[in-house]
Amino acid sequence: SQTIHQWPATLVQPVGSPLSLECTVEGTSNPNLYWYRQAAGRGLQLLFYSVGIGQISSEVPQNLSASRPQDRQFILSSKKLLLSDSGFYLCAWSWALATNEKLFFGSGTQLSVL
Amino acid sequence: AQTVTQSQPEMSVQEAETVTLSCTYDTSESDYYLFWYKQPPSRQMILVIRQEAYKQQNATENRFSVNFQKAAKSFSLKISDSQLGDAAMYFCAYRSAGSNYQLIWGAGTKLIIKP
Repeated sequence: SQTIHQWPATLVQPVGSPLSLECTVEGTSNPNLYWYRQAAGRGLQLLFYSVGIGQISSEVPQNLSASRPQDRQFILSSKKLLLSDSGFYLCAWSWALATNEKLFFGSGTQLSVL
Repeated sequence: AQTVTQSQPEMSVQEAETVTLSCTYDTSESDYYLFWYKQPPSRQMILVIRQEAYKQQNATENRFSVNFQKAAKSFSLKISDSQLGDAAMYFCAYRSAGSNYQLIWGAGTKLIIKP
């Protein structure tokens, strides 16, 4: 069976510090991978998606970047965090080539930038 | 651009009763998919039910069913025999058939179950 791991669960970082959130998927190959952000009391905003190693598409211009160094690894990064980067970050995966397939979500990371 | 609207920020229902959550969307496309996701207090997002726009029959999953009105662009979720474990945020989402990637999300409805 497939599983998705996302860590850390919570993170408190000062403004201007770097960020690295990691997500890995097990039990499948060549998944589509996604990073979402959820502001408090709001819906999800797609930040990045990837259809393969080294292939990253950005949906929203921002202070963040993403990388996919391995097939089942997706990393969200920032060189210098802003207060506005605070939020709940969710990693997700889906089967490739299936538009009606559901997303499988990780357990999320609550990021607080102080 | 497509939009998804959930007009009920919060709903409450007595345990064992039925509740309906509303969702409307705006699109010029004819082929698309609609989803309801549940986010319990653990905050992990879980798919509840999905509907293909080309299917006239409403999707059902045990106690969960949808009322899909394509002409009205409405996609409501009915939860029958509500249980305490149904308490969560519920999000409606839209995906174009031409896109593997972009899900358009509503703002969510908080469902409270009264024991």
